[in-house]
Formats: sequence, C-alpha cells, structure tokens
Amino acid sequence: DQQVKQNSPSLSVQEGRISILNCDYTNSMFDYFLWYKKYPAEGPTFLISISSIKDKNEDGRFTVFLNKSAKHLSLHIVPSQPGDSAVYFCAARRKGGSEKLVFGKGTKLTVNP
Amino acid sequence: DAGVIQSPRHEVTEMGQEVTLRCKPISGHDYLFWYRQTMMRGLELLIYFNNNVPIDDSGMPEDRFSAKMPNASFSTLKIQPSEPRDSAVYFCASSLALGSSYTFGSGTRLTVV
Repeated sequence: DQQVKQNSPSLSVQEGRISILNCDYTNSMFDYFLWYKKYPAEGPTFLISISSIKDKNEDGRFTVFLNKSAKHLSLHIVPSQPGDSAVYFCAARRKGGSEKLVFGKGTKLTVNP
Repeated sequence: DAGVIQSPRHEVTEMGQEVTLRCKPISGHDYLFWYRQTMMRGLELLIYFNNNVPIDDSGMPEDRFSAKMPNASFSTLKIQPSEPRDSAVYFCASSLALGSSYTFGSGTRLTVV
C-alpha cells in the first residue's frame, strides 16, 4: 500500500514556464513533507520541506504548497530552467518524527530550452 | 564533511556471484539506510540501522540479501548469490534522526548479467 503517491511519472515543460509536481498521501498522521531532487548518476538531495502547520513554504524559485484537507502537496518551480531537469521525490514523515520517511516513486521533470 | 561515501560506483557481475556494496555515513549521524531504486518501485527502503544496530529489515527482498554495520563509520550490503533481477541502483543514506532529512550517497549501479 503506497502511502505517498506521485501519479505522474514524467513532466515536460518549456524553459521559463512554471513546473508543477504533485504528490498525494493517504496517511493523515503525516505532519512533515520533503522534496528531494535527483540528477542522473547522483543520489537524491534535499530540496525543500514543509510542516503541516503551514500551507506554503518558499525558497527562491521553489515553492511547496500543502493542502491538508485534500492530502495533497505540490512543488512549483518558477521560472523553470534546463538545470532543473531531474527526478523529484516527495517524502513524508509521521508525527513525532520517530518513524522513517516514506518516499513516492518520483517524477521525472524535463525542462526544454 | 565529504558526505555519504559509497563504493564501488559501478559493479558488473555474473549471476551467482557474491556482491558487496560499501557505505561510509556522515560522521555523527546515528541512522544509516540502504535503499534500492528501480523504475518500477522507485526508492525502496531495504534496511536501516540505529547506532549500528539493524532496526527494520522488512524491506530486504530475500535471504540472499544481508547487511551489516560493524561500526559507526562503515556498512555493507551483500547479495549472495546475485541474480539479474537484482540489477538496480543501490543508495546508502544517513541522518541525525529517523524523521529528519536524509543525506544520500551517490549510489552503486549494480548490473548482474
């Protein structure tokens, strides 16, 4: 049973436009969410996170939105750049932080020049 | 800190052979994780350690897989005998706490022919 779902295996956008990557979760006990970015031949690296007490967190071109009622979060990249082309993983953690992160399967983003 | 260090970066082996993957976590990180990435399953957690003790090995696919952490600075993942379906990228990650952000190594790409 997948508790964290990234239903789009891939996404392609034009340089300069907005990229929106989506993530859904099923466990209402999740209270902390993270996005990781992974380039080919490298390990995933932490990108941005959000706590369930917030509905938005922004870091430069990256913004994560959390809709708790819908159990949905999204990562917005504006403007998208070719260097953003990577696989993006969504991850979630249960309240208390005493359990391991649960990862989605990832979405491959391609930003075309 | 040099980050999480994995070796080898690439491994090609014949079916039936023993394969050993190595990992050096970040100093001071109490948790170490072994993940496998495939197209079908995304990032799968195989096993994790806390203070060198295996805590959860429920993700280890079969008895052919084993992992050890003899000290705080070294862990191995062994596959014996290896099979073609074991071909994947294996990541090691470490963290200060179970629910905090993980730092991943660059991975070992294993090909079993």
